[in-house]
Amino acid sequence: SQQGEEDPQALSIQEGENATMNCSYKTSINNLQWYRQNSGRGLVHLILIRSNEREKHSGRLRVTLDTSKKSSSLLITASRAADTASYFCATDAVGGSNYKLTFGKGTLLTVNP
Amino acid sequence: GAGVSQSPSNKVTEKGKDVELRCDPISGHTALYWYRQSLGQGLEFLIYFQGNSAPDKSGLPSDRFSAERTGGSVSTLTIQRTQQEDSAVYLCASRRQGPAKNIQYFGAGTRLSVL
Repeated sequence: SQQGEEDPQALSIQEGENATMNCSYKTSINNLQWYRQNSGRGLVHLILIRSNEREKHSGRLRVTLDTSKKSSSLLITASRAADTASYFCATDAVGGSNYKLTFGKGTLLTVNP
Repeated sequence: GAGVSQSPSNKVTEKGKDVELRCDPISGHTALYWYRQSLGQGLEFLIYFQGNSAPDKSGLPSDRFSAERTGGSVSTLTIQRTQQEDSAVYLCASRRQGPAKNIQYFGAGTRLSVL
């Protein structure tokens, strides 16, 4: 099964609301990344959090990491219609290759204007 | 500079035909990846190239799939005798030399439809 599993699979909110997506993984990691994919486009890197970090911010994004629970969350504050996209977590596993990322199936976020 | 470029953006083919997908990575990026993304799924790793090292082909699903990277830049992914289950979006990504952080830059993908 996938190393990273996001939930919910789909999320629909109104513009201005906050959106929270979660990612769970199975093995120890070096770091965890979040990517965004707009419809018909490639993935775009959003933010990376290292295994020794607990929280990281970038603009309207806040990522938390709980290595004891093997989970991460991505919070998008004050959402905009342009945030509509699929969001994927990707993990870099300890003891794995130093170049592979394992991606989850993603959360489809719809922000309604 | 320019991002990762993939062509064609869409490809429709008949079952049994061969297809070639092209990826032009970001200039100076020595690492290149191919992934497959089926509808509503995450990314499935296919193959990895790094400089002149032997590629990691461990993700190729069958011997009908092959990839090459000439001159350390452009890569082509070839699927021979295509099957309907090969229908998917094929994404290419590249990154700078060195594994630190492993942040990957993706192209827009080639949507392959096998009829």
